[in-house]
Amino acid sequence: QSVLTQPPSASGTPGQRVTISCSGSNSNIGSNYVFWYQQLPGAAPKLLMYRNNLRPSGVPDRFSGSKSGTSVSLAISGLRSDDEADYHCATWDDSLNGPVFGGGTRLTVL
Amino acid sequence: QVTLRESGPALVKPTQTLTLTCSFSGFSLTTSGMCVSWVRQPPGKALEWLALIDWDDDEYYSTSLKTRLTISKDTSKNQVVLTMTNMDPVDTATYYCARIPPPGKYYSGMDVWGQGTTVTVSS
Repeated sequence: QSVLTQPPSASGTPGQRVTISCSGSNSNIGSNYVFWYQQLPGAAPKLLMYRNNLRPSGVPDRFSGSKSGTSVSLAISGLRSDDEADYHCATWDDSLNGPVFGGGTRLTVL
Repeated sequence: QVTLRESGPALVKPTQTLTLTCSFSGFSLTTSGMCVSWVRQPPGKALEWLALIDWDDDEYYSTSLKTRLTISKDTSKNQVVLTMTNMDPVDTATYYCARIPPPGKYYSGMDVWGQGTTVTVSS
């Protein structure tokens, strides 16, 4: 059972906009920055978003992040087939004194 | 170029101790704010954070696993070592090490990951 809650799956067609949610509590998302990781099949995770809504160099602006209270969302616009991957949210938890992850959301591009 | 590479046994027996080494290049763990973290992923399951060590020798452990884990660093060799005692089949997973750059663990994500090493626990 993951500390952060994500839907197990999401889907969309090419060109569509999809959002993936991640919810937590005051001790984690509510008081710390959130990060998103993209994990392509058979690969290691890759940092996709940091400090809630900042993109590392090389991540297209089709990816965006937002935060409200104890929940965050990752939005992907102009969906492409190579966006098909697992997406994980993560943040620091003050009560656990360490990083926590969501259960991951598998995005399927139909 | 920043790289990390995990190494260790692919197979361990139940009750044995697992020792994994993360060898890295392109950065120094003596730089203020720098951290290295270990994360694992059982087959088909979620990422699970295990341990973290920072430039200042502070160690952080998963509360559920802290009695079994030890993390250490050798800055002269650019290595971080994780030991996990009393291995069980449920510990079968891919184990990753990842860098957390300055300004540090609250502000920076795990920006570079190793390729991971798969560990199977079986008799």
